[in-house]
Amino acid sequence: DIVMTQSPLSLPVTPGEPASISCRSSQSLLQSSGSNSLDWYLQKPGLSPQLLIYLGSRRASGVPDRFSASGSGTDFTLRISRVEAEDVGVYYCMQTLQIPGTFGQGTKVELK
Amino acid sequence: QVQLVQSGAEVKTPGASVKVSCKASGYTFINYYIHWVRQAPGQGLEWMGFFYPNGGDTFYAQKFQGRVTITWDRSLSTAHMELSSLRSDDTGVYYCARGAQISRSIFDYWGQGTLVTVS
Repeated sequence: DIVMTQSPLSLPVTPGEPASISCRSSQSLLQSSGSNSLDWYLQKPGLSPQLLIYLGSRRASGVPDRFSASGSGTDFTLRISRVEAEDVGVYYCMQTLQIPGTFGQGTKVELK
Repeated sequence: QVQLVQSGAEVKTPGASVKVSCKASGYTFINYYIHWVRQAPGQGLEWMGFFYPNGGDTFYAQKFQGRVTITWDRSLSTAHMELSSLRSDDTGVYYCARGAQISRSIFDYWGQGTLVTVS
């Protein structure tokens, strides 16, 4: 299985400040189409996960533009340009290149 | 609007089976994959398997093969996930999620989760 490694695992943030989360995969996630099979999910406290970013860098419907993602191959980054209080929760990256799809351990984002 | 509504919490004894349901609405059920994802208490997410109503394809993660069965009731637009030979480490929240149209493995809608306690 492809192993996904996130860092940091805990991220205290100040509202209004930027934040970033790294995700690395044990194998390249780059498809022949040029897209990367890497998605980002946010699980807010007490809720189900929600899709934030898919295919490496595409924002899902309704996701604020303060969220962006980049990367290719094995290294990926999720960025929040200005953190808001509603952004707290656990962020997961997930690879979908191979079955089984595998998630990173999660990065817990909380306010300082 | 798209909704996935799951059945209620379950408490089971070790060795028993549990069946969790996921009722879909707001879209054409047969045209989208349904996945099942597990989350142990305080832990991360673990993909269990998927099925595709239009054709009946199913696929299970190797870890769960032999213990998990995904079925569906087309007339009710409902998917079911049954896990057998339950152990204490099967305790957790089980989610169904819809595979997006752009890619079956992108989960664009999730159910609210079903807590299964094995004790």
